[in-house]
Order: sequence, then structure tokens, then C-alpha cells
Amino acid sequence: EIVMTQSPATLSVSPGEWATLSCRASQSITHNLAWYQQKPGQAPRLLIYGTSTRATGIPARFSGSGSGTEFTLTISSLQSEDFAIYYCQQYNNWPRTFGQGTKLEIK
Amino acid sequence: EVQLVQSGAEVKKPGESLKISCKGSGYIFTSYWIGWVRQMPGKGLEWMGIIYPGDSDTRYSPSFQGQVTISADKSISTAYLQWSSLKASDTAMYYCARLSPQGSYNYGDQWGQGTLVTVSS
Repeated sequence: EIVMTQSPATLSVSPGEWATLSCRASQSITHNLAWYQQKPGQAPRLLIYGTSTRATGIPARFSGSGSGTEFTLTISSLQSEDFAIYYCQQYNNWPRTFGQGTKLEIK
Repeated sequence: EVQLVQSGAEVKKPGESLKISCKGSGYIFTSYWIGWVRQMPGKGLEWMGIIYPGDSDTRYSPSFQGQVTISADKSISTAYLQWSSLKASDTAMYYCARLSPQGSYNYGDQWGQGTLVTVSS
């Protein structure tokens, strides 16, 4: 099973600033990575798939990069609605696995 | 509009059985895999297993193999997750998700609202 490790566990950033979230895979997953956003009391929402392709309706301030084992989600000019928990998920191997999440909080 | 609507919250006792549902609409239900995800209180997301309603092909994550059963009734566009004997540790929110792209089971692009299952004596 591929283990996904996200860092940091919690990230404190001020509105209007940039946030960089990291995700590492225990073995190469090429570009088979997705990112989700989850707000309290809500279901996860797909943000990005294929490492860097934004899902329908996702603002351009969300961008993804990386390959192999190292991946990054960058959120530019943070808005109040962006403060949430973010999960990465690999789909290179079965079982599909999530990272443990990064909580993005307001500084 | 694509929608996945899950059944309501459940409160059960240890040892009881349970079957929760996820009804899809707004798309061809038989052409997309459906997955189930567990989220224990205050914890992260875990894929439990997936099913292709077109032919009921089912895959389970090793951690959940033998612990739950996933099924689907394509005639009513509904997928199910069931337990034969609940444990307190099954207390969690359970989400269903439509997996994309069509015919593959890569990522969840549409999600149900979640079903909270509470198991307590």
C-alpha cells in the first residue's frame, strides 16, 4: 500500500497571502495525484486531479505541481473560504490512499 | 446536475446489522465506479472499497476486506454499504463518491452528503 504523507499538519497563513502544502508518496505515483478540500461538516470537494488539472469550477488561485513522489498544492491570495483541511490522494495503485490532511488556518 | 444522495443518520447497538445507501442521479449510473470513504470522528479520509454498478465488479481496500459488503442495484441507481455485525469502532461518517474518469476509479469528482453511523450500547 502506498503511504501518502502530508506536511505540515497545520499551516497558519494570513488572508491574501500564499499557502504551500506538500504531499509525499512512499513510492512513485507518476502524476496520479488528486487534491481535495474539506470544510467542517461538509463532504470533500475535488480540487485538482492529474497533479495539476483543476476540477470544474475551481478558481485559478489553486494550482498543483510535482511528479514521482513529491507534490505541492499552492493557493495564492488566500480567501476566507479557503481555510479548510486539504487532502492528497494517489490513484496509481490499489488501494487508493489519502494523506492524513493539512489544516489551513487563519493566522 | 450530478447528485449523490445518501440515506440518513443511523444509531445502532453493537452486533446489529446495517445497510446504508447512496442514490445517483443526473448521469449514467452504470458507467461510473462508486466508492465508499470512511471518516472517523476528527480523523482523515479512508477508501473502503468501490463498485462498478454496470457489472457489480467490486474491490475492497485490504483494511476493510471482510468487514463490510458493498453492493449496487442498477435498476434504482443505488449503491450500498453494509455491515453484518457492527462494532463501536464503526462509528464514523461514511461518504459515497462517484469516481472518475468514466470507467476508471481514480478520484472522486462528486460526493454524497455523508451518512453518520453511531454505534453505541
